[in-house]
Amino acid sequence: QLQLQESGPGLVKPSETLSLTCTVSGASIRTSNYYWGWIRQPPGKGLEYIASIYYSGSTYYNSSLKSRVTISIDTSNSQFSLSLTSVTAADTAVYYCVRQSYRYGSDWGQGTLVTVSA
Amino acid sequence: EVVMTQSPATLSVSPGERATLSCRASESVVTNLAWYQQRPGQPPRLLIYGASTRAADVPARFSGSGFGTEFTLTISSLQSEDFAVYYCQQWNNWPTYTFGQGTKLEI
Repeated sequence: QLQLQESGPGLVKPSETLSLTCTVSGASIRTSNYYWGWIRQPPGKGLEYIASIYYSGSTYYNSSLKSRVTISIDTSNSQFSLSLTSVTAADTAVYYCVRQSYRYGSDWGQGTLVTVSA
Repeated sequence: EVVMTQSPATLSVSPGERATLSCRASESVVTNLAWYQQRPGQPPRLLIYGASTRAADVPARFSGSGFGTEFTLTISSLQSEDFAVYYCQQWNNWPTYTFGQGTKLEI
């Protein structure tokens, strides 16, 4: 059974870089027809798509975040990662990693809360 | 970017009643649409994909319909565990997503 586990610092200072990793187990990260992505949810608010990556390395970004975001993949360790630079309080959110299927929707990790504060 | 608009923002209903939630897309997304349920402190749970197909282990009281720009999630007889926030999601520009702002279903 697929498991997605987010990991990374829970507290980041303003202007610094937020870095998160998602570890995939129970399925191959090299599987065709799936993308691997990040979605966030500020406290008490809705869901915002951040970025996606294919196992080959093809990437897609939310245009509103593209200048600050990098998504990468490490197939040998079944992990993919998110980097968000120059963070502000507005980047405080629960960050979810997801497996994306065009036909069948998304599978979600449990999420990790990242707070931006000095 | 496709904008998804959900209505109403909050829906107050009683257990056993029927609930109808709406989602409108700013342009056609065909059937590239899913519905998710989110309970407090939990990640979203996939209910419906392809606009009308129930995901695994989703009770039959949940149904989805629609095509193009107008979509509906219907819960035929509300149970206590159904009171949550519901989101629609589109992926017409795969693999990027946009979400509706959510409908809170409350007693």
